[in-house]
Amino acid sequence: AQSVTQLGSHVSVSEGALVLLRCNYSSSVPPYLFWYVQYPNQGLQLLLKYTSAATLVKGINGFEAEFKKSETSFHLTKPSAHMSDAAEYFCAVSGSSGNTPLVFGKGTRLSVIA
Amino acid sequence: DAGVIQSPRHEVTEMGQEVTLRCKPISGHDYLFWYRQTMMRGLELLIYFNNNVPIDDSGMPEDRFSAKMPNASFSTLKIQPSEPRDSAVYFCASRLDRGRSNEQFFGPGTRLTVL
Repeated sequence: AQSVTQLGSHVSVSEGALVLLRCNYSSSVPPYLFWYVQYPNQGLQLLLKYTSAATLVKGINGFEAEFKKSETSFHLTKPSAHMSDAAEYFCAVSGSSGNTPLVFGKGTRLSVIA
Repeated sequence: DAGVIQSPRHEVTEMGQEVTLRCKPISGHDYLFWYRQTMMRGLELLIYFNNNVPIDDSGMPEDRFSAKMPNASFSTLKIQPSEPRDSAVYFCASRLDRGRSNEQFFGPGTRLTVL
């Protein structure tokens, strides 16, 4: 079974500051890990994914995440926040067997202050 | 590709009425998922299909909820009778079985309000 914990339901940063959104996972099998972003009144859009290749994954809009097996973490970072990054971010995990649905965390709302 | 298509985008109905939500997955995708999103519970998986066959419906909250996938390009989620606590955003998602990345593609959602 898989589960995801996102620390902090709401994170607020200043424009230009570092963005760090935390995600810890639990999985009994080698995981696939994902970050999705949801802008207001829209569906979820894939930011990046880890599928057992490089542990540092680069995604769209300057985001990246690092898979750390020893810490069971997959934190999302961006060096410099932009106003347009304000959204809800979801971390998700699935087994790597290919037939399991994604299990989502509860989400972290990112606010960017001018 | 048009992506996952959901209709209607917004639905307002009165308690006790039947509600039908529709989803057209991305052409060629083998899996289809229905999710519900609320402030209290976040994103919940309701049911998913593989090659039009329901695989796991353990997330369906009650017998009032039912889902079908009569063919590879269409699925419905029905609530009968609807209740105010069913108010939520319902998302449909699809993915390929091949490729093994498990990436799911989401539709824009249907915002349901039950008065």
